[in-house]
Amino acid sequence: DGGITQSPKYLFRKEGQNVTLSCEQNLNHDAMYWYRQDPGQGLRLIYYSQIVNDFQKGDIAEGYSVSREKKESFPLTVTSAQKNPTAFYLCASSQRGGHIEQFFGPGTRLTVL
Amino acid sequence: DAKTTQPTSMDCAEGRAANLPCNHSTISGNEYVYWYRQIHSQGPQYIIHGLKNNETNEMASLIITEDRKSSTLILPHATLRDTAVYYCIVRVADSNYQLIWGAGTKLIIKP
Repeated sequence: DGGITQSPKYLFRKEGQNVTLSCEQNLNHDAMYWYRQDPGQGLRLIYYSQIVNDFQKGDIAEGYSVSREKKESFPLTVTSAQKNPTAFYLCASSQRGGHIEQFFGPGTRLTVL
Repeated sequence: DAKTTQPTSMDCAEGRAANLPCNHSTISGNEYVYWYRQIHSQGPQYIIHGLKNNETNEMASLIITEDRKSSTLILPHATLRDTAVYYCIVRVADSNYQLIWGAGTKLIIKP
C-alpha cells in the first residue's frame, strides 16, 4: 500500500537531547513537509522540500533541522535549541505544482521531560 | 493568502447533513478554497477544493457563494466517524506549497 510512515508514534526524551523523527513515503512525491501542532491549534510549517537535496524554512524553523538525501525520506531533528519541543509532529508529501493535495502520515507525539 | 474564519465548534445528529461554514471575505480571484479534516490524533485528510463552481466528490460537496466571500462544506449523511476538526484553507494554486492552517471547526456527530 502506498502511503507515509512516521515512527515512532510516541517519543520521550530528556531535556537537552537532540531527537530525530523519521518520515518515509512511497508515493513517489517530490515535495515533503514537516508541521508542528500544539493542542487546540492548527498546523504550523517547520520545513518543506520540493526536491531532493533542497529544502526551505517554514514559519517556525528555529531549533529544527532537516535533510533530504533521498526522495522517499525527510527526517526532522529536534535540537536542544528548540525551547518548547513537546508537540505533535506531522509529516506530509505531495506532487509538485498546481492543486496540491497533501498526504499526511499518522504523526509522532514528542514529549520532552 | 486570504484569511479564513470558521466557527469553533458545531454539533450534528447522525444521519443528517452537516453544513460547515467558512468566511473568506478577502479572497482574491486566483485563490482556491480547500477543505481538510483531522480525526483526533491522526494526520489531516484532504476532502475537496474549488474555485467558484460548486464541487462534489464521494466525501462531500462544496458550495461557494457567487461573490466567493464564503463557502459551505456539506457532509450529506453524517456518521459518527465524521467527528473531526475541519479546516478551511484559501490559497493560490501555484508553486508556493504552503498551506496556512487556522484552528478549524470541531464537528461532533451525535447518535
